[in-house]
Amino acid sequence: DIQMTQSPSSLSASVGDRVTVTCRASQHISTSLNWYQQKPGKAPGLLISIASNLQSGVSSRFSGSGSGTDFTLTISSLQPEDFATYYCQQSYLIPYTFGQGTKLEIK
Amino acid sequence: QVQLQESGPGLVKPSETLSLTCTLSGGSFSTYYWSWIRQPAGKGLEWIGRISARGSTSYNPSLKSRVTISVDVSKNQFSLNLTSVTAADTAVYYCARRVAGGGTAWLDPWGQGIVVTVAS
Repeated sequence: DIQMTQSPSSLSASVGDRVTVTCRASQHISTSLNWYQQKPGKAPGLLISIASNLQSGVSSRFSGSGSGTDFTLTISSLQPEDFATYYCQQSYLIPYTFGQGTKLEIK
Repeated sequence: QVQLQESGPGLVKPSETLSLTCTLSGGSFSTYYWSWIRQPAGKGLEWIGRISARGSTSYNPSLKSRVTISVDVSKNQFSLNLTSVTAADTAVYYCARRVAGGGTAWLDPWGQGIVVTVAS
């Protein structure tokens, strides 16, 4: 299986901060990398597909980049509704695998 | 608007079979793959497997010996059977649509999830 490793596992930040979450794959996955946001008690929702394609309706303060094994999710200016847990997921090989999550908390 | 809804028992006894159904509304069933994912409380996400409208399946090797995913296109439903469950199978179970594009795929949308507890 492809292992996905996110860092950091948790992050404290303030409204207005710029934050970056990193996701590393254990092998090359091209741009087969997706990002999801999950709020407590809710299902994950797709933010970004194919490493950098912002989903319709998602704020442009979210952006994704990377290819191969190293990827980043950046939030340019944190808003109160952005405090959540973020997961990366590879769809290069079956079984699909997820990172362990990055919990973004209010400082 | 495409929506998915999981249904099934919230409590399953150890060693028995967990059976869940996911129902699609507002969209086409036939051109996608359909996945199950689970999440133990406070933990990360685990992909269980997927099925196409024609019934072609792929499973996570970690669960393959216990998992069966089936589809009923006439009802816009697909189902998960997980046999010989233990407490380790206690989780929120989600269904999701697999969308393909650009040579890859992603999961969108997801159902709201259903909590399944394995206990006697």
